[in-house]
Amino acid sequence: EAGVAQSPRYKIIEKRQSVAFWCNPISGHATLYWYQQILGQGPKLLIQFQNNGVVDDSQLPKDRFSAERLKGVDSTLKIQPAKLEDSAVYLCASSYRNTGELFFGEGSRLTVL
Amino acid sequence: AQRVTQPEKLLSVFKGAPVELKCNYSYSGSPELFWYVQYSRQRLQLLLRHISRESIKGFTADLNKGETSFHLKKPFAQEEDSAMYYCALNGYGQNFVFGPGTRLSVLP
Repeated sequence: EAGVAQSPRYKIIEKRQSVAFWCNPISGHATLYWYQQILGQGPKLLIQFQNNGVVDDSQLPKDRFSAERLKGVDSTLKIQPAKLEDSAVYLCASSYRNTGELFFGEGSRLTVL
Repeated sequence: AQRVTQPEKLLSVFKGAPVELKCNYSYSGSPELFWYVQYSRQRLQLLLRHISRESIKGFTADLNKGETSFHLKKPFAQEEDSAMYYCALNGYGQNFVFGPGTRLSVLP
């Protein structure tokens, strides 16, 4: 079974530029999560999707972050414009149901200069 | 509000010594608790969950609702146990909340 796929693995941008991350969850997993993990901290949930609907985006900085999962499968997370404090690893995870085990991707490491 | 705390950022033990990684949570209800692990250069993965009540790689964790704790234990640490360990809580229908993590270093 293929795992959660994320791209790109690494991205370096200057502040005020934009960036997009892509995630393809495990086939059949209805729930998809985007987490932000800043160095030395635990993962912090940004947004949770159930199929193509948003379940929780209370911690998503909506003035600069956006995410979509249009067909209920893969998802993109966009940051525009980026700030220095957005430097982090962006983790995508999926689960078969929203109370089950989370399967994580390898993450996308963003460095904002 | 859901919250998970892990008081130790770093825990160092010698090989063969017992290990206990502490986790406390706050949640007004009956949550589902998990321990996730991240070995060097690997993705975050599930180690164990409280409802399965099983031992994985020699690790066990018991949910203590009175103390709101879910400490991870292993009687004899191995060098391959060195990793980052995250305690996580899922409050049924709410999001997964992770603790800040504890880095376990098992010394030879």
